[in-house]
Amino acid sequence: EAGVVQSPRYKIIEKKQPVAFWCNPISGHNTLYWYLQNLGQGPELLIRYENEEAVDDSQLPKDRFSAERLKGVDSTLKIQPAELGDSAVYLCASSFRDTENYEQYFGPGTRLTVT
Amino acid sequence: AQTVTQSQPEMSVQEAETVTLSCTYDTSESDYYLFWYKQPPSRQMILVIRQEAYKQQNATENRFSVNFQKAAKSFSLKISDSQLGDAAMYFCAYRSPNNYGQNFVFGPGTRLSVLP
Repeated sequence: EAGVVQSPRYKIIEKKQPVAFWCNPISGHNTLYWYLQNLGQGPELLIRYENEEAVDDSQLPKDRFSAERLKGVDSTLKIQPAELGDSAVYLCASSFRDTENYEQYFGPGTRLTVT
Repeated sequence: AQTVTQSQPEMSVQEAETVTLSCTYDTSESDYYLFWYKQPPSRQMILVIRQEAYKQQNATENRFSVNFQKAAKSFSLKISDSQLGDAAMYFCAYRSPNNYGQNFVFGPGTRLSVLP
């Protein structure tokens, strides 16, 4: 079974430029999460999708961040314009809502560096 | 809102020895799930062990076991016979029951070093 796929793995951009991250969850997983992870810290939720619906985006800085999951499968997270403080690892995770354990499966993340 | 605290930013253990990582959490819910995740330098987070709050028996998974103290809101991870491959960041995580959504709350992590 393929795991959660993210691309790119690394991205370096100048401030004020746009950037997009892509995530393909495990097949059949209806819940998808985007997390922000700063160096040496735990992941912080940005947005959670149940199928194509964003059910929790309270921590997403909506002035510059946007996300979509149009067909309830893969998802894109965008930042426009990027700021120096956005340098971090962006993690995607997925889970299958109806399983007993509700385990999350994580992708390898995208390390963003804003210069 | 729930919070998760890991009071040990860094720990070290000698190979083949046992180490315990601490985690405490704050919640007003009576049913929930607790997890320990491992994040090696390669960055991919993987699940180590999970515990359902309604189960009194402590979860075990090979060399990994937990000490779940519900009244004290404590959830520590014990790694026995430590191996070099256990070196990683370890995150404790809390998840509410399904009817409250599926958001996870992570602690700040503990960096574990394994000394040969």
